[in-house]
Amino acid sequence: QKEVEQNSGPLSVPEGAIASLNCTYSDRGSQSFFWYRQYSGKSPELIMFIYSNGDKEDGRFTAQLNKASQYVSLLIRDSQPSDSATYLCAVKQPDNAGNMLTFGGGTRLMVKP
Amino acid sequence: ETGVTQTPRHLVMGMTNKKSLKCEQHLGHNAMYWYKQSAKKPLELMFVYSLEERVENNSVPSRFSPECPNSSHLFLHLHTLQPEDSALYLCASSQDWTGTNEKLFFGSGTQLSVL
Repeated sequence: QKEVEQNSGPLSVPEGAIASLNCTYSDRGSQSFFWYRQYSGKSPELIMFIYSNGDKEDGRFTAQLNKASQYVSLLIRDSQPSDSATYLCAVKQPDNAGNMLTFGGGTRLMVKP
Repeated sequence: ETGVTQTPRHLVMGMTNKKSLKCEQHLGHNAMYWYKQSAKKPLELMFVYSLEERVENNSVPSRFSPECPNSSHLFLHLHTLQPEDSALYLCASSQDWTGTNEKLFFGSGTQLSVL
């Protein structure tokens, strides 16, 4: 059973702090990793993707991938109340040629003013 | 607005009803997906179409029947559903099915309640 695990939260951080969201996956052969943000009552939207070990930065967001330890994380610097949402980790499975993603259950982030 | 439109936004149906969910994408994408999002459960892939051909059926009960008449439109036909089928049904599209890092663009979803 291929699994993607996330702490459901809520993760509460004060405005301006760094929010750290973590995700672990079970299939060592997984290739690509995605972070989606889902506001309450809305559909998921892609924030970042990463496929190489190390860090990838985009504005206030940094994705970190460690394939040896099978985890991927998302850091949000200078957190804003508008960042309050559920963050979904998704992993592309390696055992077929298609765009099969397995999603984690999501971490709810609350940024308090 | 992601370029993926779903109708209706909300649907209440009885267990003996037949209804259809509609999805339309205006992005020129070649792959379309149906996902189910239940409370406190991860997003579950249901069906995938690539160039109007079904390429994935993720062990979904036959009371859910997808249809893809062209690359821009996707339907999910529902009949004799159960209360546990109540969930948010999300349509998504991506440029292709076999790309390296295919990004999913989601519609707003249909919130389905089965009574």
